[in-house]
Amino acid sequence: DTAVSQTPKYLVTQMGNDKSIKCEQNLGHDTMYWYKQDSKKFLKIMFSYNNKELIINETVPNRFSPKSPDKAHLNLHINSLELGDSAVYFCASSRTSGEQFFGPGTRLTVL
Amino acid sequence: QKEVEQNSGPLSVPEGAIASLNCTYSDRVSQSFFWYRQYSGKSPELIMSIYSNGDKEDGRFTAQLNKASQYVSLLIRDSQPSDSATYLCAVSRFGNEKLTFGTGTRLTIIP
Repeated sequence: DTAVSQTPKYLVTQMGNDKSIKCEQNLGHDTMYWYKQDSKKFLKIMFSYNNKELIINETVPNRFSPKSPDKAHLNLHINSLELGDSAVYFCASSRTSGEQFFGPGTRLTVL
Repeated sequence: QKEVEQNSGPLSVPEGAIASLNCTYSDRVSQSFFWYRQYSGKSPELIMSIYSNGDKEDGRFTAQLNKASQYVSLLIRDSQPSDSATYLCAVSRFGNEKLTFGTGTRLTIIP
């Protein structure tokens, strides 16, 4: 199946822990994104990479660090998790300036 | 003023009727406009994109764009219960990968 996939689907962890979310796309796209959808369902961009280069870095705490080992993969590492980090995190991909397609999401719950 | 505004709803429409969803945006240099559908607990799914003034039809869906009025809408003809979802309007500038989302309109189709 051609798609954007994310792991894990659910992540429950304690405050202060460090966790990572992985994203992979096999659509041949060259741009990948991380979005955060909060409890009010508002979807907001966090980061974007084009061909492994960071091109969008919104106002996000330094505890969040994206990494793109190649243009098909984009990971998100979060240090020192806080209660307010609880949200659904979506990965997306597109051709440059093209339509964006979303992965299934990772629901992060920080206790 | 929010960058992208939508009525949050809920919008209730009888089955078989036309559902009309509206979106206004504040950035005059916006060039690309998208409608996403999001079922509860699922990821956003792209249903329409529109780049030029006027109407664009795809099956039961019609997107309408008026750049002078900074307004984009989505019409759903012959509404079905399976159309019940939250509809997200998203906007981007030309050559800019960042999608700015509205807060979404929750649509309920009443059998």
